[in-house]
Amino acid sequence: EADIYQTPRYLVIGTGKKITLECSQTMGHDKMYWYQQDPGMELHLIHYSYGVNSTEKGDLSSESTVSRIRTEHFPLTLESARPSHTSQYLCASSALGTGFAGELFFGEGSRLTVL
Amino acid sequence: LAKTTQPISMDSYEGQEVNITCSHNNIATNDYITWYQQFPSQGPRFIIQGYKTKVTNEVASLFIPADRKSSTLSLPRVSLSDTAVYYCLVGAGDSSYKLIFGSGTRLLVRP
Repeated sequence: EADIYQTPRYLVIGTGKKITLECSQTMGHDKMYWYQQDPGMELHLIHYSYGVNSTEKGDLSSESTVSRIRTEHFPLTLESARPSHTSQYLCASSALGTGFAGELFFGEGSRLTVL
Repeated sequence: LAKTTQPISMDSYEGQEVNITCSHNNIATNDYITWYQQFPSQGPRFIIQGYKTKVTNEVASLFIPADRKSSTLSLPRVSLSDTAVYYCLVGAGDSSYKLIFGSGTRLLVRP
């Protein structure tokens, strides 16, 4: 069973609020990812990290930001939430490296609703 | 980055074998091919991974031809609980750790 945790699982907030979605893994994985997924739609990569102090933007433009100060922690922040940010956010991690594929382990997701 | 193409949806019946094919024409030399299963409101779950030829585990088989430009996930004797979205993901070699999912294949298993 994967040891990757996301909090909160569900969040309903008003427009303009600042929110942080937490993601933590206890597997010591270097690579971590944030995906955004609307109901019934495909996953979109919004951020990823190779390791501590390294973050990259994904393919889907996002107003969110991320940080990677510790290996196990990869929080995602929205400075001013809007209704268009309503979605499910999935965090994942992997031990993959050069020549070693490994698998992505996903958290249970954070479902955000902005009113 | 290797882009993947899969059928949008497939229908099957319980007990049948299901084969889902994924095209990845520009796969890089060191890229692996990985398949994931996703149920509603959950994160994707790893099914199987391969580099070339055939790989089999307790739930599925993965067939990869010599040119590696496509792959086929085979689910033997599906049940209703196999109704889910299946994603083919290519990457994690030397080229990139930027793992991008395609549209996936929505499999519906009927009684």
